Amino acid sequence: DIQMTQSPSSLSASVGDRVTITCRTSQGIRNDLGWYQQKPGKAPKRLIYAASTLQSGVPSRFSGSGSGTEFTLTISSLQPEDFATYYCLQQYSYPWTFGQGTKVEIK
Amino acid sequence: EVQLVESGGGLVQPGGSLRLSCAVSGFTVGSYAMSWVRQAPGKGLEWVSVFSVGGEITYYAGSVKGRFTMSSDNSRKTLYLEMNSLRAGDTAVYYCRRDYGDYWGQGTLVTVSS
Repeated sequence: DIQMTQSPSSLSASVGDRVTITCRTSQGIRNDLGWYQQKPGKAPKRLIYAASTLQSGVPSRFSGSGSGTEFTLTISSLQPEDFATYYCLQQYSYPWTFGQGTKVEIK
Repeated sequence: EVQLVESGGGLVQPGGSLRLSCAVSGFTVGSYAMSWVRQAPGKGLEWVSVFSVGGEITYYAGSVKGRFTMSSDNSRKTLYLEMNSLRAGDTAVYYCRRDYGDYWGQGTLVTVSS
Protein backbone atom coordinates (compact mmCIF):
# COMPACT_ATOMS: atom_id res chain seq x y z
CA ASP A 1 0.00 0.00 0.00
CA ILE A 2 1.11 3.57 -0.66
CA GLN A 3 1.73 5.51 2.54
CA MET A 4 0.85 9.19 2.71
CA THR A 5 2.64 11.73 4.88
CA GLN A 6 0.82 15.03 5.05
CA SER A 7 2.25 18.03 6.87
CA PRO A 8 1.71 19.98 8.93
CA SER A 9 -1.12 18.34 10.88
CA SER A 10 -2.38 21.80 11.82
CA LEU A 11 -1.49 25.41 11.32
CA SER A 12 -2.64 28.81 12.47
CA ALA A 13 -2.79 31.60 9.92
CA SER A 14 -4.34 35.00 9.39
CA VAL A 15 -6.61 36.20 6.64
CA GLY A 16 -4.43 37.19 3.70
CA ASP A 17 -1.60 34.79 4.56
CA ARG A 18 -0.06 32.42 2.05
CA VAL A 19 -0.49 28.83 3.20
CA THR A 20 1.32 25.74 1.98
CA ILE A 21 0.45 22.11 2.76
CA THR A 22 2.64 19.21 1.68
CA CYS A 23 1.86 15.59 0.92
CA ARG A 24 4.58 12.98 0.39
CA THR A 25 3.97 9.45 -0.87
CA SER A 26 5.97 6.32 -0.13
CA GLN A 27 6.37 5.62 -3.82
CA GLY A 28 5.97 7.54 -7.06
CA ILE A 29 2.38 8.17 -8.13
CA ARG A 30 2.94 10.30 -11.24
CA ASN A 31 0.37 13.08 -10.78
CA ASP A 32 -2.52 10.93 -9.53
CA LEU A 33 -3.26 13.08 -6.50
CA GLY A 34 -6.13 15.27 -5.44
CA TRP A 35 -6.66 17.82 -2.69
CA TYR A 36 -9.87 18.06 -0.69
CA GLN A 37 -11.35 20.59 1.70
CA GLN A 38 -13.71 19.58 4.48
CA LYS A 39 -15.70 21.77 6.82
CA PRO A 40 -17.26 20.43 10.04
CA GLY A 41 -20.33 18.32 9.45
CA LYS A 42 -19.99 18.49 5.68
CA ALA A 43 -18.83 16.12 2.96
CA PRO A 44 -15.39 16.81 1.53
CA LYS A 45 -15.04 18.89 -1.59
CA ARG A 46 -12.31 18.40 -4.18
CA LEU A 47 -10.22 21.47 -4.93
CA ILE A 48 -7.51 20.05 -7.17
CA TYR A 49 -7.17 16.87 -9.24
CA ALA A 50 -4.30 15.45 -11.25
CA ALA A 51 -1.99 17.28 -8.82
CA SER A 52 -2.44 20.71 -10.37
CA THR A 53 -5.80 20.99 -12.17
CA LEU A 54 -8.29 23.27 -10.48
CA GLN A 55 -11.74 21.75 -9.99
CA SER A 56 -14.45 23.74 -11.74
CA GLY A 57 -15.84 26.49 -9.52
CA VAL A 58 -12.90 26.54 -7.10
CA PRO A 59 -11.30 29.96 -6.55
CA SER A 60 -7.99 30.56 -8.27
CA ARG A 61 -6.24 31.32 -4.96
CA PHE A 62 -5.98 27.54 -4.61
CA SER A 63 -3.22 25.85 -6.58
CA GLY A 64 -1.51 22.49 -6.59
CA SER A 65 1.90 21.37 -7.74
CA GLY A 66 4.20 18.38 -7.71
CA SER A 67 4.60 14.96 -9.21
CA GLY A 68 6.22 11.68 -8.26
CA THR A 69 6.37 11.63 -4.48
CA GLU A 70 6.01 15.24 -3.33
CA PHE A 71 2.98 17.45 -3.74
CA THR A 72 1.92 20.86 -2.50
CA LEU A 73 -1.36 22.68 -2.01
CA THR A 74 -1.02 26.45 -1.83
CA ILE A 75 -3.59 29.00 -0.81
CA SER A 76 -2.21 32.30 -2.07
CA SER A 77 -4.27 34.59 0.17
CA LEU A 78 -6.24 32.89 2.93
CA GLN A 79 -9.89 33.93 3.15
CA PRO A 80 -12.28 33.48 6.11
CA GLU A 81 -14.14 30.68 4.30
CA ASP A 82 -10.89 28.72 3.85
CA PHE A 83 -10.59 27.75 7.51
CA ALA A 84 -11.17 24.01 7.25
CA THR A 85 -9.35 20.69 7.16
CA TYR A 86 -7.50 19.70 4.00
CA TYR A 87 -6.67 16.20 2.78
CA CYS A 88 -4.67 14.73 -0.08
CA LEU A 89 -5.77 11.51 -1.80
CA GLN A 90 -3.68 9.28 -4.05
CA GLN A 91 -5.53 7.44 -6.80
CA TYR A 92 -2.51 5.89 -8.48
CA SER A 93 -3.01 2.41 -7.11
CA TYR A 94 -5.43 0.48 -4.91
CA PRO A 95 -6.07 0.82 -2.10
CA TRP A 96 -6.48 4.56 -2.58
CA THR A 97 -5.19 6.39 0.47
CA PHE A 98 -5.81 9.75 2.09
CA GLY A 99 -3.31 11.88 3.93
CA GLN A 100 -3.86 12.42 7.64
CA GLY A 101 -5.29 15.90 7.17
CA THR A 102 -4.22 19.48 7.89
CA LYS A 103 -6.45 21.65 10.02
CA VAL A 104 -6.16 25.33 9.11
CA GLU A 105 -7.20 27.51 12.02
CA ILE A 106 -7.58 31.22 12.56
CA LYS A 107 -4.60 32.92 14.18
CA GLU B 1 -28.86 17.36 -11.50
CA VAL B 2 -26.52 14.82 -9.94
CA GLN B 3 -27.45 13.79 -6.40
CA LEU B 4 -26.39 11.02 -4.04
CA VAL B 5 -28.36 10.17 -0.91
CA GLU B 6 -27.13 7.58 1.58
CA SER B 7 -29.35 5.67 3.98
CA GLY B 8 -29.27 2.59 6.17
CA GLY B 9 -26.97 3.73 8.95
CA GLY B 10 -27.75 3.15 12.58
CA LEU B 11 -26.71 1.40 15.76
CA VAL B 12 -25.56 -2.22 15.46
CA GLN B 13 -23.91 -4.59 17.91
CA PRO B 14 -20.36 -5.83 17.41
CA GLY B 15 -20.40 -8.82 15.07
CA GLY B 16 -23.60 -7.63 13.44
CA SER B 17 -24.41 -6.65 9.88
CA LEU B 18 -25.79 -3.61 8.12
CA ARG B 19 -26.48 -2.65 4.53
CA LEU B 20 -25.99 0.92 3.42
CA SER B 21 -27.70 2.29 0.32
CA CYS B 22 -26.76 5.20 -1.90
CA ALA B 23 -29.58 6.34 -4.16
CA VAL B 24 -28.39 8.34 -7.13
CA SER B 25 -30.14 10.66 -9.55
CA GLY B 26 -28.96 12.41 -12.67
CA PHE B 27 -26.84 9.46 -13.83
CA THR B 28 -26.63 5.67 -13.89
CA VAL B 29 -24.46 3.95 -11.30
CA GLY B 30 -22.86 1.58 -13.79
CA SER B 31 -21.62 4.41 -16.00
CA TYR B 32 -19.14 5.80 -13.48
CA ALA B 33 -16.66 4.56 -10.93
CA MET B 34 -18.20 4.84 -7.47
CA SER B 35 -16.57 4.78 -4.05
CA TRP B 36 -17.37 4.58 -0.38
CA VAL B 37 -15.36 6.74 2.00
CA ARG B 38 -15.75 6.81 5.78
CA GLN B 39 -14.80 9.09 8.63
CA ALA B 40 -14.66 8.00 12.25
CA PRO B 41 -15.79 10.62 14.77
CA GLY B 42 -13.13 13.32 15.07
CA LYS B 43 -10.80 11.48 12.71
CA GLY B 44 -9.62 11.77 9.12
CA LEU B 45 -11.01 10.37 5.91
CA GLU B 46 -10.55 6.70 5.04
CA TRP B 47 -11.19 5.30 1.59
CA VAL B 48 -13.20 2.05 1.89
CA SER B 49 -13.99 0.63 -1.54
CA VAL B 50 -14.44 1.39 -5.23
CA PHE B 51 -16.64 0.01 -7.97
CA SER B 52 -15.25 0.26 -11.48
CA VAL B 53 -17.20 1.57 -14.45
CA GLY B 54 -19.66 -1.20 -15.27
CA GLY B 55 -19.25 -2.64 -11.80
CA GLU B 56 -17.07 -5.53 -12.94
CA ILE B 57 -14.18 -4.83 -10.61
CA THR B 58 -14.21 -3.84 -6.97
CA TYR B 59 -11.35 -3.01 -4.63
CA TYR B 60 -11.40 -2.73 -0.85
CA ALA B 61 -9.26 -1.25 1.89
CA GLY B 62 -7.41 -3.87 3.87
CA SER B 63 -9.34 -2.92 7.01
CA VAL B 64 -12.65 -4.06 5.46
CA LYS B 65 -11.61 -6.66 2.90
CA GLY B 66 -13.51 -9.90 3.39
CA ARG B 67 -16.16 -8.23 5.56
CA PHE B 68 -17.63 -5.53 3.29
CA THR B 69 -19.14 -6.05 -0.16
CA MET B 70 -20.02 -3.34 -2.64
CA SER B 71 -22.74 -3.91 -5.22
CA SER B 72 -25.20 -1.98 -7.32
CA ASP B 73 -28.66 -2.18 -8.80
CA ASN B 74 -28.53 -0.10 -11.95
CA SER B 75 -32.27 -0.36 -12.54
CA ARG B 76 -32.91 1.10 -9.09
CA LYS B 77 -30.03 3.51 -9.47
CA THR B 78 -28.68 2.42 -6.13
CA LEU B 79 -25.25 1.55 -4.79
CA TYR B 80 -24.94 -0.71 -1.77
CA LEU B 81 -22.37 -1.47 0.88
CA GLU B 82 -23.01 -4.73 2.72
CA MET B 83 -21.10 -4.69 6.01
CA ASN B 84 -20.62 -7.87 8.04
CA SER B 85 -18.71 -8.80 11.19
CA LEU B 86 -18.85 -5.18 12.27
CA ARG B 87 -16.38 -3.89 14.86
CA ALA B 88 -16.21 -0.81 17.03
CA GLY B 89 -13.55 0.51 14.67
CA ASP B 90 -16.11 0.59 11.85
CA THR B 91 -18.03 3.35 13.64
CA ALA B 92 -18.02 6.25 11.21
CA VAL B 93 -19.96 8.44 8.85
CA TYR B 94 -20.06 6.65 5.51
CA TYR B 95 -20.13 8.67 2.30
CA CYS B 96 -20.77 7.44 -1.21
CA ARG B 97 -19.00 9.28 -3.96
CA ARG B 98 -18.79 9.59 -7.71
CA ASP B 99 -15.21 10.40 -8.59
CA TYR B 100 -15.92 11.95 -12.00
CA GLY B 101 -17.02 15.46 -11.19
CA ASP B 102 -16.51 14.80 -7.45
CA TYR B 103 -20.06 14.26 -6.21
CA TRP B 104 -20.67 13.18 -2.60
CA GLY B 105 -23.67 12.21 -0.56
CA GLN B 106 -24.43 13.77 2.81
CA GLY B 107 -23.23 10.70 4.70
CA THR B 108 -24.89 8.18 6.98
CA LEU B 109 -23.68 7.36 10.50
CA VAL B 110 -22.92 3.80 11.50
CA THR B 111 -22.37 3.15 15.19
CA VAL B 112 -21.08 -0.24 16.31
CA SER B 113 -21.59 -0.64 20.03
CA SER B 114 -23.11 -2.98 22.56
